[in-house]
Amino acid sequence: EAGVAQSPRYKIIEKRQSVAFWCNPISGHATLYWYQQILGQGPKLLIQFQNNGVVDDSQLPKDRFSAERLKGVDSTLKIQPAKLEDSAVYLCASSLGLEQYFGPGTRLTVT
Amino acid sequence: AQSVTQPDIHITVSEGASLELRCNYSYGATPYLFWYVQSPGQGLQLLLKYFSGDTLVQGIKGFEAEFKRSQSSFNLRKPSVHWSDAAEYFCAVAPPNTGNQFYFGTGTSLTVIP
Repeated sequence: EAGVAQSPRYKIIEKRQSVAFWCNPISGHATLYWYQQILGQGPKLLIQFQNNGVVDDSQLPKDRFSAERLKGVDSTLKIQPAKLEDSAVYLCASSLGLEQYFGPGTRLTVT
Repeated sequence: AQSVTQPDIHITVSEGASLELRCNYSYGATPYLFWYVQSPGQGLQLLLKYFSGDTLVQGIKGFEAEFKRSQSSFNLRKPSVHWSDAAEYFCAVAPPNTGNQFYFGTGTSLTVIP
């Protein structure tokens, strides 16, 4: 069974630029999550989708972050414009039940 | 306030020694409990989970964890550590009735010395 796929694995941008991350969950997993993991901290949930609907986006900085999950399968997370404090690893996870399965993450560096 | 606490930021153990990583949570009801491991440059891998029933749960790679309701703890243990266990370990909780939302601790970094 293929795991959660994410791309790109690494991205370096300058502040005020935009960036997009892509995630393809495990086949059949209805729930998809995006987490932000700042160095030295645990992952923090940004947004949770159930199929193509948003379950929770209370911690998503909506002035600069957006996410979509068209057709209830893969998802994109966008940051526009990026700030220095957005430097982090962005993890995507998916679940069918109570267990979440994580992708390898995208490491974003904002200079 | 609701929280997940991993009091040990960094632990160093000798190969072959036993290991215990601590995790405490603060929620009104018993949440679902998880331990994940993260190797450098990798995503999180599930080691074990507790939903209900037997309070001692077995996981992959020889790890086990014990749920203690009276102490609101879910400590991770391994009898004999291998050099390949060096990684970051995260405790996560999913409070009931929150749509399976996970809250993570800040992690414990494990170094294994030969």
